[in-house]
Amino acid sequence: RKEVEQDPGPFNVPEGATVAFNCTYSNSASQSFFWYRQDCRKEPKLLMSVYSSGNEDGRFTAQLNRASQYISLLIRDSKLSDSATYLCVVNLGGGYQKVTFGTGTKLQVIP
Amino acid sequence: NAGVTQTPKFQVLKTGQSMTLQCAQDMNHEYMSWYRQDPGMGLRLIHYSVGAGITDQGEVPNGYNVSRSTTEDFPLRLLSAAPSQTSVYFCASRSGGYNEQFFGPGTRLTVL
Repeated sequence: RKEVEQDPGPFNVPEGATVAFNCTYSNSASQSFFWYRQDCRKEPKLLMSVYSSGNEDGRFTAQLNRASQYISLLIRDSKLSDSATYLCVVNLGGGYQKVTFGTGTKLQVIP
Repeated sequence: NAGVTQTPKFQVLKTGQSMTLQCAQDMNHEYMSWYRQDPGMGLRLIHYSVGAGITDQGEVPNGYNVSRSTTEDFPLRLLSAAPSQTSVYFCASRSGGYNEQFFGPGTRLTVL
């Protein structure tokens, strides 16, 4: 089993739709969690951190489920500009090398 | 702040050539790392550093060397380029073990 797994997609959704991505992780000792956004041929950029209590930033909501070992990202009212690849990142802590990236989920928002 | 900068943006090498990819950050971050990104593989850690003078190997270190003489700079050296090293290379930094990483714009390397 991979340490961090994501559905690669692509998810093709119409503008205005709600879309959700999940990411599962294998190590129950994981300490911190993030969603990054990566545009084609660009560097990854932080979208949001994921807290145990869940967090929301405008149209984006991230949640953590430690019992089932997954994090989720919900995007409401999708915009064309949301088209990108979304990377799940899990940090075990306790050692620098234990930052693991998922391979990403590609989202294409269509007019 | 410029954040994390990388040079060059693009590079073409012949098999067997050596070169250094430059990375610098002006955020006074302790942690720096080098990743390569290949289609379908995600980001894979090559080498990392938790402070000046301290480096260690990541997941795919073979064929690469690093050094960290200052907090700001973390160059990656390709010793003898091979076609398998054709990839996009990202440098990243962060202020602590649990914090977000900031990435440079990447270097697109092709080895012929």
